[in-house]
Amino acid sequence: SQQGEEDPQALSIQEGENATMNCSYKTSINNLQWYRQNSGRGLVHLILIRSNEREKHSGRLRVTLDTSKKSSSLLITASRAADTASYFCATASPYNFNKFYFGSGTKLNVKP
Amino acid sequence: SAVISQKPSRDICQRGTSLTIQCQVDSQVTMMFWYRQQPGQSLTLIATANQGSEATYESGFVIDKFPISRPNLTFSTLTVSNMSPEDSSIYLCSVEDRQVLFFGSGTQLSVL
Repeated sequence: SQQGEEDPQALSIQEGENATMNCSYKTSINNLQWYRQNSGRGLVHLILIRSNEREKHSGRLRVTLDTSKKSSSLLITASRAADTASYFCATASPYNFNKFYFGSGTKLNVKP
Repeated sequence: SAVISQKPSRDICQRGTSLTIQCQVDSQVTMMFWYRQQPGQSLTLIATANQGSEATYESGFVIDKFPISRPNLTFSTLTVSNMSPEDSSIYLCSVEDRQVLFFGSGTQLSVL
């Protein structure tokens, strides 16, 4: 299975602190993406990093990718209570761009 | 980006009955994807629905249990048949656009 694991499973921080989530995967990828899910509803795409990229920024989000270790991290800086959600990494197979595999997710709680 | 309307948003059903979930996209798309998210778990792909052909099911999912229709390029339905409590999950439809997945708001199904 290409599905990855994320850690930690749950993370609780104070507003203003940074939150770091990690994702590991098993096979070759075309790209890796991070999604957010609020209250068990639909997922929202946050950021995509391609297999030939090492780091990417979008607002308060910073994503790194290490293909040699088959791992990625998502950093949310200066967290807000509104960032409270579950975060999932997803990888796309280089052999089937339409097939996505989701990690186990990190549940982030940002306390006001 | 695609806007996806999914309904119902939630339902409580009796075991042995069936529920059909509808997904409407605001643009024409070739493929639509159906995911299941069991309580506290990650997303698992059920099947890929192509217009004009039978859906492609992932390992562990069969057409008799999860029949899918795809009558045109903007609409799809997923039926959860002969339900049991183990089918209690969130069901999500999604479409892919330039390697990014867009999701409906999900259907939270509880089977008693």
